[in-house]
Amino acid sequence: DTAVSQTPKYLVTQMGNDKSIKCEQNLGHDTMYWYKQDSKKFLKIMFSYNNKELIINETVPNRFSPKSPDKAHLNLHINSLELGDSAVYFCASSQRPDYGYTFGSGTRLTVV
Amino acid sequence: GENVEQHPSTLSVQEGDSAVIKCTYSDSASNYFPWYKQELGKGPQLIIDIRSNVGEKKDQRIAVTLNKTAKHFSLHITETQPEDSAVYFCAASIEGSARQLTFGSGTQLTVLP
Repeated sequence: DTAVSQTPKYLVTQMGNDKSIKCEQNLGHDTMYWYKQDSKKFLKIMFSYNNKELIINETVPNRFSPKSPDKAHLNLHINSLELGDSAVYFCASSQRPDYGYTFGSGTRLTVV
Repeated sequence: GENVEQHPSTLSVQEGDSAVIKCTYSDSASNYFPWYKQELGKGPQLIIDIRSNVGEKKDQRIAVTLNKTAKHFSLHITETQPEDSAVYFCAASIEGSARQLTFGSGTQLTVLP
């Protein structure tokens, strides 16, 4: 059983489109995250949710909107996609913000 | 907030040699230091961690050392193998706090056959 699963694994779309990435964790963790990894491999935190409540919202364009229907799911919706949004997006979860992160396998988003 | 610097950004070693990746942190209150390995096409996975009450921890071919005074910690991989090739991330946090992990910028390790 995959602990943190994200779909889709690959996403190719045109500029201006709207797309969503889904994430689910079966670890019973209270906190979930979205990270963006650019071509230089740097992991940048985008959002953090604890028990469905937004905890962290880093400097991210408001075209990105997370949604947590329950504590096992954290989806990422992106409006009006731009070329610069091309990256690998990772979902992660942990029981506590300071410890024990489990990452999903990533979604490679390519905007053309 | 915490700042974690990681060096080098790329590292190539011959198979069988050792590899060392170093990180420094800025917040002296940080007390938990995990290391993650990211293989190609996968997400980062925890491989080893250390808490500030110990100076060194080993797990088979990997070890982590911590120098609290200098605020730096290092990952040591001995007898490297091609499957060790990956991106490695260090991180730091204050265990028991509500603050999230702060990650380093990553090191691409390539083990040459």
